[in-house]
Amino acid sequence: GAGVSQSPRYKVAKRGQDVALRCDPISGHVSLFWYQQALGQGPEFLTYFQNEAQLDKSGLPSDRFFAERPEGSVSTLKIQRTQQEDSAVYLCASSLVQASALYGGYTFGSGTRLTVV
Amino acid sequence: SQQGEEDPQALSIQEGENATMNCSYKTSINNLQWYRQNSGRGLVHLILIRSNEREKHSGRLRVTLDTSKKSSSLLITASRAADTASYFCATDMDSNYQLIWGAGTKLIIKP
Repeated sequence: GAGVSQSPRYKVAKRGQDVALRCDPISGHVSLFWYQQALGQGPEFLTYFQNEAQLDKSGLPSDRFFAERPEGSVSTLKIQRTQQEDSAVYLCASSLVQASALYGGYTFGSGTRLTVV
Repeated sequence: SQQGEEDPQALSIQEGENATMNCSYKTSINNLQWYRQNSGRGLVHLILIRSNEREKHSGRLRVTLDTSKKSSSLLITASRAADTASYFCATDMDSNYQLIWGAGTKLIIKP
């Protein structure tokens, strides 16, 4: 597609439930990123993929968070046993190049707003 | 953790006026980027300024960078209602892929 697509747009989960958030990057984009954005804050880095390799997962808040990109295109962010503090917008971004922070070129999806009740 | 801090946190001006937002950061950078986020939407890249540049223009946008003060400003001239959004600065902080973001400035343009 023309842009980065994320689904679902909204997700309400009961505390303790597992959720899976999907990101379809722009076709051919090498780099894929997940960010977490709390209400009224800027995004916080979660994890980075270069093709199918997860090169950095240092931002994942706990071992309940898991991300994968098995074929180097679609990525899934999974959160197990959700807690209220997981409520946030989860943003996915992709970039054609590897060193995208140096050149810009990030394209963001509209995000998934997760609310844990 | 967040590297950048924008100020003001919120700004409300009349349509046609100029809007200025500031961003400060803490460590050395290769570049600084500004993004816009409309309510409930993703982030849209506006402009990138490199550490060896002092000023950059794009349409009604003017960005300045002062590396000695570790600060940047975004000026939107002749504001329009459609400029209503949150504006974020992001820096690379010596990473070639990770961006570090500020908390954003919420801009409201009153018609």
